[in-house]
Amino acid sequence: GQNIDQPTEMTATEGAIVQINCTYQTSGFNGLFWYQQHAGEAPTFLSYNVLDGLEEKGRFSSFLSRSKGYSYLLLKELQMKDSASYLCAVYTDSWGKLQFGAGTQVVVTP
Amino acid sequence: GAVVSQHPSRVICKSGTSVKIECRSLDFQATTMFWYRQFPKQSLMLMATSNEGSKATYEQGVEKDKFLINHASLTLSTLTVTSAHPEDSSFYICSARDDVAGGVDGTDTQYFGPGTRLTVL
Repeated sequence: GQNIDQPTEMTATEGAIVQINCTYQTSGFNGLFWYQQHAGEAPTFLSYNVLDGLEEKGRFSSFLSRSKGYSYLLLKELQMKDSASYLCAVYTDSWGKLQFGAGTQVVVTP
Repeated sequence: GAVVSQHPSRVICKSGTSVKIECRSLDFQATTMFWYRQFPKQSLMLMATSNEGSKATYEQGVEKDKFLINHASLTLSTLTVTSAHPEDSSFYICSARDDVAGGVDGTDTQYFGPGTRLTVL
């Protein structure tokens, strides 16, 4: 079966750094995505990793280790608008089928 | 950037009626689209893969006769919830995969529609 685990909730203060971990065990792997989702809205694309290593994109960075089945999303210089759910998703086949984790609710406090 | 639209954004209907939701890729072609369902405070659950010109592929546990999918063109897929019941009330989200390798932003990403909130009374 497919198993994608991430913490349920994390709280951090404005300006701080937060790291959201994601571990996965899936029948196939063709890449890992991180999405941001605000309540009642559709997910928006943040990052994509297919090779091991770190991908940096402004305040957001994502890391992947395929041998460990592990990824993290790093959010720097947190802003209040970063309060949202962050979804880890794995491409499990070459046709684009995505399996999502349950999401991590990040709460940014003043 | 790539845009996917969904219509309607919100629908309220009586139990027993059918509801059609449209998903369109506005500035790219998508042979493959996906339909997801999301219940409150839960993650997205893939319902089916919609393929232009062929039958949809449904995930285990999803009734294909209840959730009819039609992918009539490279930019349009529709999901019809037939004989809707209150337990079908949910947030339905579609996504589209850009046919061009790498996609609009250089990654093999899917682009999500804004979602449709279905409430069945």
